[in-house]
Amino acid sequence: DGGITQSPKYLFRKEGQNVTLSCEQNLNHDAMYWYRQDPGQGLRLIYYSQIVNDFQKGDIAEGYSVSREKKESFPLTVTSAQKNPTAFYLCASSQIAGSYNEQFFGPGTRLTVL
Amino acid sequence: QKEVEQDPGPLSVPEGAIVSLNCTYSNSAFQYFMWYRQYSRKGPELLMYTYSSGNKEDGRFTAQVDKSSKYISLFIRDSQPSDSATYLCAMSANAGNMLTFGGGTRLMVKP
Repeated sequence: DGGITQSPKYLFRKEGQNVTLSCEQNLNHDAMYWYRQDPGQGLRLIYYSQIVNDFQKGDIAEGYSVSREKKESFPLTVTSAQKNPTAFYLCASSQIAGSYNEQFFGPGTRLTVL
Repeated sequence: QKEVEQDPGPLSVPEGAIVSLNCTYSNSAFQYFMWYRQYSRKGPELLMYTYSSGNKEDGRFTAQVDKSSKYISLFIRDSQPSDSATYLCAMSANAGNMLTFGGGTRLMVKP
């Protein structure tokens, strides 16, 4: 089956800890994205990547970091600098950035800070 | 003021009703408009995509864009309990631009 997988589904973090959310796609898509979803606020873009070894900040990048060492993988690290990390995190991918193509979403990771 | 506004609901309707979901936006450069459906605790999936103004129909779903009013709508005919979900509108100015999402409207269709 082709698609996007995210792990873990639920993640609990203590204050002051860094955590890494996994995102893998086997759709052979060039572009990958990370969004944060809070109740009533829709999806806000954290980071995106159009090509391996390159990525760009989105609207709310502070306190987050990413890497894109492989085409199929785009992990997101939520650092201790992120003041309010409790949220639902969604990873997406699309065929080619620069032309309209549907963004396909993963099932999400729900992060809770204890 | 948010760039894309969407009533959060919840919107509760009986099965078989016609549902109207709406978004308003402020950026006149937007010309690509999408509706995503998101079931609880799942990722969104693309439902409808429209370029510029006009209507687009797909089965029980109709998407309308009125650029002069900066207003888009999604109509669902003969609504079913399986349509119960959050509906997110999204839009962009150019094909390669990042999407700007509305906050989503939660729809509940009661049998």
